[in-house]
Amino acid sequence: GAVVSQHPSWVICKSGTSVKIECRSLDFQATTMFWYRQFPKQSLMLMATSNEGSKATYEQGVEKDKFLINHASLTLSTLTVTSAHPEDSSFYICSASEAFFGQGTRLTVV
Amino acid sequence: RKEVEQDPGPFNVPEGATVAFNCTYSNSASQSFFWYRQDCRKEPKLLMSVYSSGNEDGRFTAQLNRASQYISLLIRDSKLSDSATYLCVVNLLTDSWGKLQFGAGTQVVVTP
Repeated sequence: GAVVSQHPSWVICKSGTSVKIECRSLDFQATTMFWYRQFPKQSLMLMATSNEGSKATYEQGVEKDKFLINHASLTLSTLTVTSAHPEDSSFYICSASEAFFGQGTRLTVV
Repeated sequence: RKEVEQDPGPFNVPEGATVAFNCTYSNSASQSFFWYRQDCRKEPKLLMSVYSSGNEDGRFTAQLNRASQYISLLIRDSKLSDSATYLCVVNLLTDSWGKLQFGAGTQVVVTP
């Protein structure tokens, strides 16, 4: 069974609204989780590293005020896309290691 | 220049045939290497790690050439279920998974 569970698997939202994506580790405690984004026919790009109990580390070019990451417990990391715009429409994936990826969330902003 | 480059394909392969493809990476400090498969609209799944001496996992064989900075994947006796996009991934760190660099993938289509 899945060891990293991501929810929701897909979401459609209106421009200007916020969307929260959850990533849970089911069988283990994850002090670190990684958030990726993948546009169609492109590679997964690391957005940020989520650290339990401390601030996330964002990759260059990723707006930390727009993509809010919270890792309040050892089994849950959340990514909130604030004031979403159509260009934020993408496939968002979390992972806890090289082998454990969430199922992904397909976000469509209309 | 992309960190990891792959031929996007598609590679159309008759069932039972062999297909092979490469990927190149730009950072000579890359520490570890992987192949993943990704089905349409799904998360990537780790297929196999790639070791310096080359390694095999069933019908899949991976090779690493550090001098030329490329890795390869060969699939023998292709099955219809092998149809997917294969992602080449390199890790720049030895003690963390936080620097995985993904290629955009090579699409393989196995036909009956």
